[in-house]
Amino acid sequence: QKEVEQDPGPLSVPEGAIVSLNCTYSNSAFQYFMWYRQYSRKGPELLMYTYSSGNKEDGRFTAQVDKSSKYISLFIRDSQPSDSATYLCASPSGNTPLVFGKGTRLSVIA
Amino acid sequence: DGGITQSPKYLFRKEGQNVTLSCEQNLNHDAMYWYRQDPGQGLRLIYYSQIVNDFQKGDIAEGYSVSREKKESFPLTVTSAQKNPTAFYLCASSKGAGAEAFFGQGTRLTVV
Repeated sequence: QKEVEQDPGPLSVPEGAIVSLNCTYSNSAFQYFMWYRQYSRKGPELLMYTYSSGNKEDGRFTAQVDKSSKYISLFIRDSQPSDSATYLCASPSGNTPLVFGKGTRLSVIA
Repeated sequence: DGGITQSPKYLFRKEGQNVTLSCEQNLNHDAMYWYRQDPGQGLRLIYYSQIVNDFQKGDIAEGYSVSREKKESFPLTVTSAQKNPTAFYLCASSKGAGAEAFFGQGTRLTVV
């Protein structure tokens, strides 16, 4: 079983919609979580990270962690066509490289 | 500008040839990584290095080799032993193994 699971989508929404992207994880040792955004044919870029349960907000983006259910969410408000990308969740496990989900492909239609 | 530079962006090779992908960083990061990305597969770790002159195999190391002679550089060689080398290759670096990783723009390798 992969340690971070993510629905690959694709997810298609109209411009202005609220988008919810989700991951589940199995390793209770995961202490903090990251979201990366990857545009087509580009490298992933770090979007947000959060250290603990609860919410972290940055502009139109909110990251949420529920440690009791091992559930990670990224919400995008007022989605724009420029948000169309693949979104990957990730978490470190001790002194080892980040464990990534497979990514969810999002399309925001104008 | 600080960052990670991968070169070339596109690379074509004939089957049976070894090819080396370049990755350079000027972020003063100790750890560096190579990932392979195929459609629907996500990021798969090939090799990583936490310190100069030391590296570890990732999940799909067979058919690949690396070196870490300098902190700034972590080249990846795709050997003829790699059965399906055509893919998008991403290099990344971080302060330490569990820290946020910063990625290069990738090299798309096509073997014909």
